[in-house]
Amino acid sequence: GENVEQHPSTLSVQEGDSAVIKCTYSDSASNYFPWYKQELGKRPQLIIDIRSNVGEKKDQRIAVTLNKTAKHFSLHITETQPEDSAVYFCAATPGGYQKVTFGTGTKLQVIP
Amino acid sequence: SAVISQKPSRDICQRGTSLTIQCQVDSQVTMMFWYRQQPGQSLTLIATANQGSEATYESGFVIDKFPISRPNLTFSTLTVSNMSPEDSSIYLCSVDVQETQYFGPGTRLLVL
Repeated sequence: GENVEQHPSTLSVQEGDSAVIKCTYSDSASNYFPWYKQELGKRPQLIIDIRSNVGEKKDQRIAVTLNKTAKHFSLHITETQPEDSAVYFCAATPGGYQKVTFGTGTKLQVIP
Repeated sequence: SAVISQKPSRDICQRGTSLTIQCQVDSQVTMMFWYRQQPGQSLTLIATANQGSEATYESGFVIDKFPISRPNLTFSTLTVSNMSPEDSSIYLCSVDVQETQYFGPGTRLLVL
């Protein structure tokens, strides 16, 4: 089955700096890669996603890149703000109602 | 997207008892999923529930321990049976809408 590895497990950045979280996956059949943000005590919320026919996607301060050949994808947050502090999960799935496999999570702390 | 509610939001239970968690969605969905999230950990899929058929369980989870019902396209229940302290966790339901998973708010369970 699919295996998703995520690094780093914790990340501290100064407010205004950029943060990068990296994930690798094992199943070449995976073609949909969502990213979730989970604030303390809250449910995971989808923040951005990318499909295998796209190499990069951007939404304001958040961007995701995908390298299908190398089987890795990354989340980039620019101009970080304290409200970006949360746990971020990457995930991968072949789609079509097949299982979504989550990474182990990255706890991001943005220091004011 | 989808609006998902869960009941109860939290509970404290005695070992050996059972708890049924309800998940309600505001629209008809084909697939519903049940996850467990232990403190500080990622999301682990328990089972997939399709209306009108038996739930499909992931490795390490069995129907006798986690029976699931899916009586219609907007509702599902997960029962945690014969609970032990190791079952203390957050249980989340989710639905698949156009290949994106949306999560309920979770049920925080503490077993004493």
